[in-house]
Amino acid sequence: QQQVKQSPQSLIVQKGGISIINCAYENTAFDYFPWYQQFPGKGPALLIAIRPDVSEKKEGRFTISFNKSAKQFSLHIMDSQPGDSATYFCAGDYGGSQGNLIFGKGTKLSVKP
Amino acid sequence: EAEVAQSPRYKITEKSQAVAFWCDPISGHATLYWYRQILGQGPELLVQFQDESVVDDSQLPKDRFSAERLKGVDSTLKIQPAELGDSAMYLCASSYSHGPANFRDEQFFGPGTRLTVL
Repeated sequence: QQQVKQSPQSLIVQKGGISIINCAYENTAFDYFPWYQQFPGKGPALLIAIRPDVSEKKEGRFTISFNKSAKQFSLHIMDSQPGDSATYFCAGDYGGSQGNLIFGKGTKLSVKP
Repeated sequence: EAEVAQSPRYKITEKSQAVAFWCDPISGHATLYWYRQILGQGPELLVQFQDESVVDDSQLPKDRFSAERLKGVDSTLKIQPAELGDSAMYLCASSYSHGPANFRDEQFFGPGTRLTVL
């Protein structure tokens, strides 16, 4: 049972463009929604996260938009750079302080110079 | 900067053999996680420790997989016997996890062990 659905599977964006990755969740027990960035040969690293009582969170060029009623959230990368080329995973977490992450399948982003 | 250490980074084995992976979490981190990441998929939790105790091993194939964290610090994940379908990246993560239930500590991931079963 896939509790977090992520799209698109891959994305190609020109340098300076906006990258948008979408996720939808099923489990209403999720109360924390992080995005992870993974470079080849590396483990995932937390990029930005949001709680469902907030509709938007921005950190630098990265913004999460959250729609609780639709059970959807998205990552926007403004002014995309070649260094942003990586795989991005959204996740839902329902597990208290110890965390229980359910990841989406990932989006491979390529930013062309 | 403190990091989660894993070894080996790569492991090639034949099916039916035993393999073991080691993880050293960030010092002071109480919670340790083992994930399996199949190529093209997101990580999936196998087992979660709080100190030396297993908190969640519901997704661990217990007929062939075992995990331990005897002193509540480093951890070992073992597969015996390995099967072709076990080929994947095995990721270890840790988090501080000493806060209240409504506070979410970041999970820090190690670089993973890439397992290939032939």
